[in-house]
Order: sequence, then C-alpha cells, then structure tokens
Amino acid sequence: EAGVTQSPTHLIKTRGQQATLRCSPISGHTSVYWYQQALGLGLQFLLWYDEGEERNRGNFPPRFSGRQFPNYSSELNVNALELEDSALYLCASSFWNTIYFGEGSWLTVV
Amino acid sequence: DQQVKQNSPSLSVQEGRISILNCDYTNSMFDYFLWYKKYPAEGPTFLISISSIKDKNEDGRFTVFLNKSAKHLSLHIVPSQPGDSAVYFCAAGVNNAGNMLTFGGGTRLMVKP
Repeated sequence: EAGVTQSPTHLIKTRGQQATLRCSPISGHTSVYWYQQALGLGLQFLLWYDEGEERNRGNFPPRFSGRQFPNYSSELNVNALELEDSALYLCASSFWNTIYFGEGSWLTVV
Repeated sequence: DQQVKQNSPSLSVQEGRISILNCDYTNSMFDYFLWYKKYPAEGPTFLISISSIKDKNEDGRFTVFLNKSAKHLSLHIVPSQPGDSAVYFCAAGVNNAGNMLTFGGGTRLMVKP
C-alpha cells in the first residue's frame, strides 16, 4: 500500500513568488496535516484538513494557505515567499491517533 | 512556550547498549504520545506510541515509558544498533482534538559500532 506521497521533492523559488506543494494521503485516510521543519528546528504544525475543510492552523501568517480536494489530496500554497520560508514541508495523514508522514518537499527561497 | 521538550539535543551510545531518550511536556491535556525517527532528508517514521492510561508500551527493541505525574516520557532502545542513528522526535496530542501533534525539538542519537 502506498504511503503518503508528496511532490515536488525539491522546489527553488525567488523571494516574492508563490510556491505550491502537493500531497496525497494514504488510501482511506481523510485527514491531511502539513508541518514545517526549518533548518535546525523541530516540526511546526501548519494546517489540518479533514473532509475538505480546514480544521485548524498553526501560528503561521495567512500567506500560508491550502485546500483539500474531494479525493482527500491536498495542496499547500505559500504566497509572497520570504527567505525564512526555506524549509522541509511535511505532509501527513492519520489513522486513529497515529499520523504517518510523507518524505517531504524541500522548498528553497533565494 | 514549548509544550513538549527534548532537553538533550544529542546522545551517543555504544552498539549493543541501551539508548534512553527523554521527553518532558507541560500541557496536562495531552493524553497520547508518540515517538518518531527521522533520517536526514526523509520524513519522520512512526516508531511507537502510548496512551495516557498506560505507563509502558513495548514493541520489539523499543519501549516507551510514561510518568504522568512527572509529565515525562522516555524511549528505551535495547540493544542499540548503528542503524538506529537518527533524530528522534517525541510528540504529544489530545484525543478528540484531531491529530495535531506537538513535537519536541528532537534528539540526535548516534550509535557507535
């Protein structure tokens, strides 16, 4: 069974541009979570989607947004990119109380 | 305000010995806890979890202990193997609040052959 899949693996953008990251959850999982791991830091909760709705968001500015599609896949959009947005963005889906992560998308802002 | 803390950024252990990774939390609402292992450039991999109604959970070489009164949990790896070298994150969550986990900062474990 396929795990959580994310694309692209790597993305390089210029300051001020927009980045879009994609995620497909494990089959049968309806919740998708997004986390950010900046260099040298722990995992910070970004967004939680369930059944197509945003259920909660972490302490990030509104230029971090996303959506969940009817097939439960999800997109994370980061607008007006700043250098500090360079990080590993991890998507996860959950079964009961366990969340399973994808391999992540590396975003580099130059 | 860090609700989940891993106070040791790194730990070095000899192969075959026990590795003990520690985690403290402050939010008494947390009622389940997980440990994840992460290799560089990869996503975290779920290792083991424990509910607050238990004080111990074991899975092969991995055992997690929970001390609710001290708001402390630990992961024991016995025996440690070089392939266990990775960053270990503890995470905590609240049932019925979605699975929005709060993660500690991680502990880098190095197992020397």
